[in-house]
Amino acid sequence: EVQLVESGGGLVQPGGSLRLSCAASGFTFNNYWMHWVRQTPGKGLAWVSHINTDGSRTTYAESVKGRCVISRDNTKNTLYLQVNSLRVEDTAVYFCVRMRGHSTSSFYDYWGQGSLVTVSS
Amino acid sequence: SYVLTQPPSVSVAPGQTARITCGGRNIGRLSVHWYQQKAGQAPVPVIYSDTDRPSGIPERLSGSNAGNTATLTISGVEAGDEADYYCQVWDSTGDHWVFGGGTKLTVL
Repeated sequence: EVQLVESGGGLVQPGGSLRLSCAASGFTFNNYWMHWVRQTPGKGLAWVSHINTDGSRTTYAESVKGRCVISRDNTKNTLYLQVNSLRVEDTAVYFCVRMRGHSTSSFYDYWGQGSLVTVSS
Repeated sequence: SYVLTQPPSVSVAPGQTARITCGGRNIGRLSVHWYQQKAGQAPVPVIYSDTDRPSGIPERLSGSNAGNTATLTISGVEAGDEADYYCQVWDSTGDHWVFGGGTKLTVL
C-alpha cells in the first residue's frame, strides 16, 4: 500500500524557518517525481515545488522561489521541503504528492494527509 | 501564467447530473486532471488526461475537454459526491502545475 506521511509542521514566527519531511513507503520511491502542494485554510490548492527522480532537477512556484528548497533522500525514501523567511501567507496545509509519470498527461495519484504550517507572531 | 477558472459552487438534487466547468485559454490542447476533496481529507484523483478514470472511480464520473472549457460530469449525483472539485493542468511555459480555484458541489 502506498503511503506518504508528512511531518515537521507547526507554529513558526514570521521570518522563521522549518523543514517538512515526507516518508514514503509501499512503492519504489526513486522511480517517481515528487511534489509539494499547499492549501491555505478554507481555500484552494496551489502547487509549490517538484523534484525529479534523482534530485537533479527542481522547480518552484513564484510565491516561494528563493525561499524554499526541495530535496530528497532516495536511501531513506524521504522527501523534504525547507522553507525559509516564512510569511503569514505561507500558512497552509502542505501535502506531499506522488506524480504518476512526468509528461503533460501526468497527474497526482497519491497524496499524503498533509502537515499544517502556521506562521504567526 | 496560465489561469484556470471554475465556478465557486454548483448545486444539484440527488439523482440529477452535475456539470463542473474549468475554463482556460485553449485548454482543449492541454491534458486536464480533476481531483475530489471531501471535508477534512486529502484530494483524490477522479479523472486524468481529460477523460480517464483511476481504478475505483465509478463510471458516473466522466470528463470532456474542448476549446476553452473542460467539464467534469457527475451523473446520478449521490450525497457522497458532495465535495470540492479541482481541475489541474501543466503549464509547459514555466514547467509549473496550475490548479483551478475549486468548485464546491452541494447535493440538495
